[in-house]
Amino acid sequence: QQQVKQSPQSLIVQKGGISIINCAYENTAFDYFPWYQQFPGKGPALLIAIRPDVSEKKEGRFTISFNKSAKQFSLHIMDSQPGDSATYFCAASHLGGSEKLVFGKGTKLTVNP
Amino acid sequence: DTAVSQTPKYLVTQMGNDKSIKCEQNLGHDTMYWYKQDSKKFLKIMFSYNNKELIINETVPNRFSPKSPDKAHLNLHINSLELGDSAVYFCASSQSDLEGDTQYFGPGTRLTVL
Repeated sequence: QQQVKQSPQSLIVQKGGISIINCAYENTAFDYFPWYQQFPGKGPALLIAIRPDVSEKKEGRFTISFNKSAKQFSLHIMDSQPGDSATYFCAASHLGGSEKLVFGKGTKLTVNP
Repeated sequence: DTAVSQTPKYLVTQMGNDKSIKCEQNLGHDTMYWYKQDSKKFLKIMFSYNNKELIINETVPNRFSPKSPDKAHLNLHINSLELGDSAVYFCASSQSDLEGDTQYFGPGTRLTVL
């Protein structure tokens, strides 16, 4: 049973455009929602994360939007750059619980120059 | 300084062989993990150790055996390798607090079974 559903599987955006990746979760016990960025040949690295007490978190060009009632969260990349081309994973977990970090299936983002 | 390191980076071997992958973290974290990433990039947790104690053991063939000699090291031994074991294996470590549970991943070990 996939607990975190991520879409789209792949995304092509022009330089300067907005990239949007969506995730939906099922387990209402989840209270920590990070996004990881993975470049080819590298391990995933934390990009930005949000707790459910806020609806939005912004760090530079990256924003997480969180909708608790819909059990959905999304990553927005403003002014997308070719250097943002990578695979992005959403994830969810229950801090302090026995729940492990559950990853979405990933979105391969390509930003064309 | 490398936070989470793995050796080897590449591993090519024949079916039926036994191999090990080593992982070390110098972050002082209490929890370490092994993940498998298949050709479709799907990340699947295999094991998790907290202070040398196994806390997560997903549905993984018992040919896979993790060993944690101390909390800075988590090794993965694989017996009787099969073609389907070909993947990239990532080690990670984390330290939970009230703000989050950032996992720091190693560079990965690409295992190819021929």
